Amino acid sequence: ILNVEQSPQSLHVQEGDSTNFTCSFPSSNFYALHWYRWETAKSPEALFVMTLNGDEKKKGRISATLNTKEGYSYLYIKGSQPEDSATYLCAAVDQTGANNLFFGTGTRLTVIP
Amino acid sequence: SQTIHQWPATLVQPVGSPLSLECTVEGTSNPNLYWYRQAAGRGLQLLFYSVGIGQISSEVPQNLSASRPQDRQFILSSKKLLLSDSGFYLCAWSGVLRVGEQYFGPGTRLTVT
Repeated sequence: ILNVEQSPQSLHVQEGDSTNFTCSFPSSNFYALHWYRWETAKSPEALFVMTLNGDEKKKGRISATLNTKEGYSYLYIKGSQPEDSATYLCAAVDQTGANNLFFGTGTRLTVIP
Repeated sequence: SQTIHQWPATLVQPVGSPLSLECTVEGTSNPNLYWYRQAAGRGLQLLFYSVGIGQISSEVPQNLSASRPQDRQFILSSKKLLLSDSGFYLCAWSGVLRVGEQYFGPGTRLTVT
């Protein structure tokens, strides 16, 4: 089992602002890091999967970085829009050989129009 | 394309009653299957995973059990519900890749009264 932590727990930003959140995980026994977006009344949706130290992934205005040596990942949203409002979850996979995700508690983002 | 179904969507059950939640996947073969729970104020917690028919692994000891009677069917059960079983239950599937994304169902909101 991996202990994954996310901060902040919640965040309110104005439309157009850029923002970022943090996910931290044990650097030992780490295998992969996932980011998901979970909108209210919908299923969690996969954003990124990263494995290598220094990985950077981008999808539209959203990007993520990974530092496996120090055990953290950042998710960035550039020019936040109201439709970005959601809970952003990160999850780590350990080295046991199974594809089991250990989730953080999430960052709840609210973008104010 | 692959789809994942869960039912029921919501459920209110008294303490001590049995539980059966069902999850089915379409459009893929031999998926890995997972049950997660989100309790109030907490993150998603992996309960069970399965890599094949009849193969169930439990991550957290509790009064819940899981079964996989068919390749694309995953069932979460309890003989006697506790108040602490209340929460949001999500089923997910993934391919066999170690870093494969997981795809989540719509979830079941369980309230134990």
